[in-house]
Amino acid sequence: EPEVTQTPSHQVTQMGQEVILRCVPISNHLYFYWYRQILGQKVEFLVSFYNNEISEKSEIFDDQFSVERPDGSNFTLKIRSTKLEDSAMYFCASTPYTDYGYTFGSGTRLTVV
Amino acid sequence: AQTVTQSQPEMSVQEAETVTLSCTYDTSENNYYLFWYKQPPSRQMILVIRQEAYKQQNATENRFSVNFQKAAKSFSLKISDSQLGDTAMYFCASSGETSGSRLTFGEGTQLTVNP
Repeated sequence: EPEVTQTPSHQVTQMGQEVILRCVPISNHLYFYWYRQILGQKVEFLVSFYNNEISEKSEIFDDQFSVERPDGSNFTLKIRSTKLEDSAMYFCASTPYTDYGYTFGSGTRLTVV
Repeated sequence: AQTVTQSQPEMSVQEAETVTLSCTYDTSENNYYLFWYKQPPSRQMILVIRQEAYKQQNATENRFSVNFQKAAKSFSLKISDSQLGDTAMYFCASSGETSGSRLTFGEGTQLTVNP
């Protein structure tokens, strides 16, 4: 069964550093997403991406965040200057069309120290 | 705007028994979709079941079924013949046409299946 692949599975970074979280969505999917889950809290929407541009973003997705689809397969989330409160599990997801239900990746656990 | 509420932070059930997890939602959308996701200790999010709001028939997937009460804005998940592998956090979620395709999640219910 096709999978959404995320790398790395765990990243530790120092406060103020830039991190790039990587995702390979399912190949025939058209819509891509990033969500985050702070430990013990609910899953929160960050951004959606369609047709090579952001289609929607939440209030969490401020100027320190950016997304990119640099080639036909990868989908990245960059956090420019990490803060302690960015520590969370970050999930990438994709879907062939918007009402189908997403396939999530296994997540990247980001720890900012 | 959409909100999703799960009022049971934790539940437990004996293996082979049936358990129902509750979810209520609020939405201004005419057309929307409801989901249950499972998050085992590995923390991966796995789609369990999906319901289209315009369909009256309750969705079923093997041992998993929903009770969708549109007027009451209720969307509960029933797990029959519970198995140890069902132990996980379960999240109810919704999405709607005008809210784009973003999912709004509930707080989650931690289900433990006891042997």
